[in-house]
Amino acid sequence: EAQVTQNPRYLITVTGKKLTVTCSQNMNHEYMSWYRQDPGLGLRQIYYSMNVEVTDKGDVPEGYKVSRKEKRNFPLILESPSPNQTSLYFCASKFLVATMDEQFFGPGTRLTVL
Amino acid sequence: GQQLNQSPQSMFIQEGEDVSMNCTSSSIFNTWLWYKQDPGEGPVLLIALYKAGELTSNGRLTAQFGITRKDSFLNISASIPSDVGIYFCAGTKYNNNDMRFGAGTRLTVKP
Repeated sequence: EAQVTQNPRYLITVTGKKLTVTCSQNMNHEYMSWYRQDPGLGLRQIYYSMNVEVTDKGDVPEGYKVSRKEKRNFPLILESPSPNQTSLYFCASKFLVATMDEQFFGPGTRLTVL
Repeated sequence: GQQLNQSPQSMFIQEGEDVSMNCTSSSIFNTWLWYKQDPGEGPVLLIALYKAGELTSNGRLTAQFGITRKDSFLNISASIPSDVGIYFCAGTKYNNNDMRFGAGTRLTVKP
């Protein structure tokens, strides 16, 4: 089944404790991205990647890192999480074709930083 | 970065009623998309629009790409309880893979 998977789905952690949220897609998509969703703000892009070893900042990259060592994986790293990073995070992927802008989203990771 | 202006923020309607929501921007977008998010899940694409003026239907859903390229609307006809959820508009600019989202419209349908 074609899908985007994220792990973990739920995470409660404390300020300053490094964490990684994994994202994997099995659709051979070139493009992958991370979003955070906060009430009243919709989805805001954190980072995106147009191919292996190519990453770029989105709207709200501060406090986050990403890597794209393989086409299928795009982990999100929080080196020193803070409470303002408590949010719902979504990974998404798509093909890089002008007429195929549909992004496929993962199920989300709800992160709480205490 | 600029987000899209989506309205209304929320809607409470009776089953069977029609629904309309829209998205505007001060700049031009090359693609407009409408997503729906069910509770506890990621957004799922409903309709994608690639051409100014394009009007596209998907069952009871109809969406249009504004002729100015700065707006789009989504209509849902004869709403049913499973239409409940959050609807997001999204847009991308030409040669730019940075997708922008509206803040969402939360739809509640009363049986």
